[in-house]
Amino acid sequence: GAGVSQSPRYKVAKRGQDVALRCDPISGHVSLFWYQQALGQGPEFLTYFQNEAQLDKSGLPSDRFFAERPEGSVSTLKIQRTQQEDSAVYLCASSAMANIGSGNTIYFGEGSWLTVV
Amino acid sequence: SQKIEQNSEALNIQEGKTATLTCNYTNYSPAYLQWYRQDPGRGPVFLLLIRENEKEKRKERLKVTFDTTLKQSLFHITASQPADSATYLCALEQAGTALIFGKGTTLSVSS
Repeated sequence: GAGVSQSPRYKVAKRGQDVALRCDPISGHVSLFWYQQALGQGPEFLTYFQNEAQLDKSGLPSDRFFAERPEGSVSTLKIQRTQQEDSAVYLCASSAMANIGSGNTIYFGEGSWLTVV
Repeated sequence: SQKIEQNSEALNIQEGKTATLTCNYTNYSPAYLQWYRQDPGRGPVFLLLIRENEKEKRKERLKVTFDTTLKQSLFHITASQPADSATYLCALEQAGTALIFGKGTTLSVSS
């Protein structure tokens, strides 16, 4: 597709339920990022992939959060045993270049809105 | 501690005026600074990037300045229009790290 695609756009989960959020980056993009954005806040970094390798997962808030990108394209962010504080928008972004922190343009998807009740 | 602060959460101006948004940072050494626009319910959209050795960058009605001594970037929208109403995010880039975002400033331009 032309842009970064995320699904589902909206998800309501009961506390304790597991959720999986999918990201289809722009075709051929090497770098893929996940960010979490709480209401009224800026996006906060969760994790980064270069192709299939997860090079940085320092932003994942707990071991309930897990991300993968097994074939270097589509990525899934999984949250186990969801809690109310996990309610946020989860943004995926991709970039054509491998070297992050080098002034490359990154393209964001529209986000997956997660509400935990 | 490390901080990125955008001057205010909300900025209200009249159509035709220049909007000036501020981004200040503490205890970072960014090589690049980027500005994004985010509309309600949408993802951020890239607007402009400025390098640490550049003082100013322009694109149409947008202008960004970057002062590494003051640790500040200013983002200007000239001849503002109601369609410019959105949240504007500044983001820092340090070598080898992903973008670090501020909280954003919500701009409202009234006609």
